[in-house]
Amino acid sequence: SQQGEEDPQALSIQEGENATMNCSYKTSINNLQWYRQNSGRGLVHLILIRSNEREKHSGRLRVTLDTSKKSSSLLITASRAADTASYFCATVPNDYKLSFGAGTTVTVRA
Amino acid sequence: GAVVSQHPSWVICKSGTSVKIECRSLDFQATTMFWYRQFPKQSLMLMATSNEGSKATYEQGVEKDKFLINHASLTLSTLTVTSAHPEDSSFYICSASINRQGGGSYNSPLHFGNGTRLTVT
Repeated sequence: SQQGEEDPQALSIQEGENATMNCSYKTSINNLQWYRQNSGRGLVHLILIRSNEREKHSGRLRVTLDTSKKSSSLLITASRAADTASYFCATVPNDYKLSFGAGTTVTVRA
Repeated sequence: GAVVSQHPSWVICKSGTSVKIECRSLDFQATTMFWYRQFPKQSLMLMATSNEGSKATYEQGVEKDKFLINHASLTLSTLTVTSAHPEDSSFYICSASINRQGGGSYNSPLHFGNGTRLTVT
């Protein structure tokens, strides 16, 4: 069953702006992962944050995790047209079955 | 590294025929592979988990006789959609994990193929 829920469902920003999307989940997790999917393609892993971590950076990406609120956020700084994609959070709960959210579709306007 | 190749990228077939989709890990051994189905603008729904050398584990609601999964080697898993019908039209994506633990990618990312667009006419 789907555990993660992303918010917003869609986001349109100007190139150079920051994009923030959130993910909420329901059960305890081992880790939370963010993936990107370009239209009609497979998913690409972006970043993994463990349950005992609060923040993680990778290039222009910043991920936070608040286990008390069961939520995570993904921030993309200085967005580029190539960042246009759908972004999914995926949680690994204690039964180890990876569960994906519905995704946030990000459009970066040139 | 960690490249997963999925083939074909798209296929059109007639109702009643069977279609085989291949998922190969090119530069690593995948002890566990996962098959997902994705409807337009929706999330990925896990269909089944296949472990090399053993039977696949299907998610609730997925017909194992219709979606045959074979994981005969550490680098290849196949999904066969048998007697396909228009409602089976969808985007099918495979992913692979090196990690043996459970059905997820415990503390390690999943590596995805580029998906197969199946259209049944």
